[in-house]
Amino acid sequence: QVQLQQSGPELVKPGALVKISCKASGYTFTSYDINWVKQRPGQGLEWIGWIYPGDGSTKYNEKFKGKATLTADKSSSTAYMQLSSLTSENSAVYFCARGNGYGYAMDYWGQGTSVTVSS
Amino acid sequence: DIQMTQSPSSLSASLGERVSLTCRASQEISGYLSWLQQKPDGTIKRLIYAASTLDSGVPKRFSGSRSGSDYSLTISSLESEDFADYYCLQYASYPPTFGGGTKLEIK
Repeated sequence: QVQLQQSGPELVKPGALVKISCKASGYTFTSYDINWVKQRPGQGLEWIGWIYPGDGSTKYNEKFKGKATLTADKSSSTAYMQLSSLTSENSAVYFCARGNGYGYAMDYWGQGTSVTVSS
Repeated sequence: DIQMTQSPSSLSASLGERVSLTCRASQEISGYLSWLQQKPDGTIKRLIYAASTLDSGVPKRFSGSRSGSDYSLTISSLESEDFADYYCLQYASYPPTFGGGTKLEIK
């Protein structure tokens, strides 16, 4: 069965960077996009971008360009998202989700990774 | 960006009750809409895609429909495990956007 297992919670200082992971199993990792989505309490869900692990191509939401960097390691079937120059606005839960189907459809979701930015 | 206006933002209902949630798209999305369920532990599950196609394993009490730019999720008879947050997602065009969510609570 398709599973996306995300890394654990992170507590990071303002100005630092963090890299969270999403390990895929149960399907061919290189054949589907991995999307990343941000959720802040009371702020709803925002799409950050996707990466296609097959060739490493990426597409970002304009709002997150320069903030998020998406990469993927085919050998371990793991996608990564690095967030840089962190501020309190980046404190959120981040989800990975497999892209499948037309456009930006997302079917399976990871369990989420909490990132807290605090000194 | 396409705005997805979801209503109501919260809903209190009883077990066995029929409820409907709605998302209105600010632009044409041609039925490219999903409904997502988020449980209290944070896990997200897709219930419906293409406006009305039920994902595998999703109970048949869930259904989706479209009327023009309005998209609805209906739960025909609420069960205890249905009390959760629900979101719509349009995936027709860049960037994909979500509705603001509906918190479904037990009355």
